[in-house]
Amino acid sequence: GESVGLHLPTLSVQEGDNSIINCAYSNSASDYFIWYKQESGKGPQFIIDIRSNMDKRQGQRVTVLLNKTVKHLSLQIAATQPGDSAVYFCAENAYNQGGKLIFGQGTELSVKP
Amino acid sequence: EAGVVQSPRYKIIEKKQPVAFWCNPISGHNTLYWYRQNLGQGPELLIRYENEEAVDDSQLPKDRFSAERLKGVDSTLKIQPAELGDSAVYLCASSFAGRGELFFGEGSRLTVL
Repeated sequence: GESVGLHLPTLSVQEGDNSIINCAYSNSASDYFIWYKQESGKGPQFIIDIRSNMDKRQGQRVTVLLNKTVKHLSLQIAATQPGDSAVYFCAENAYNQGGKLIFGQGTELSVKP
Repeated sequence: EAGVVQSPRYKIIEKKQPVAFWCNPISGHNTLYWYRQNLGQGPELLIRYENEEAVDDSQLPKDRFSAERLKGVDSTLKIQPAELGDSAVYLCASSFAGRGELFFGEGSRLTVL
């Protein structure tokens, strides 16, 4: 029979607006975090990473914020474009888990032209 | 530079049949990962190799799943016999030195009927 997947949280934004995607992580020992973008039918693609000794890191049009106190991570996309439409996953990595990368559920970003 | 290559991209089989997936990582990457991604969810680690050695296979259902990376380069993931619940996308990824960014392949989508 056909399996039914969980409904992903969805964020819908207008082209040109800024997007903020949030993620809560579980392991207080996690010291490295990555945001991945996954387009339909493709594998996850690296966007930006941040280590636990930082609370902010900027890339091209993207910024990641890390709040270790509440174990929260966010991805900000400036001037969102239709090509940004995808599912976004945060992933955490901790030395006490042998370096295993653990992915969150994901958020689907939909950009309206 | 070639990315992570996986084959086949799609596979449809009857339940109880065997299936195998192949992965060639990025040249020079000594760490190789197999992840499973169910519909609407984030990838979940099945097994991680450091060169030829499986260093984390705690999530691999060993009664029906097996994997090998004989020469420390390409890898094969096998399921025998397949069950309906094995329908998913099987993602291969590689990294240098087991920490930091993982580079993913396009995935192999398995449908078990």
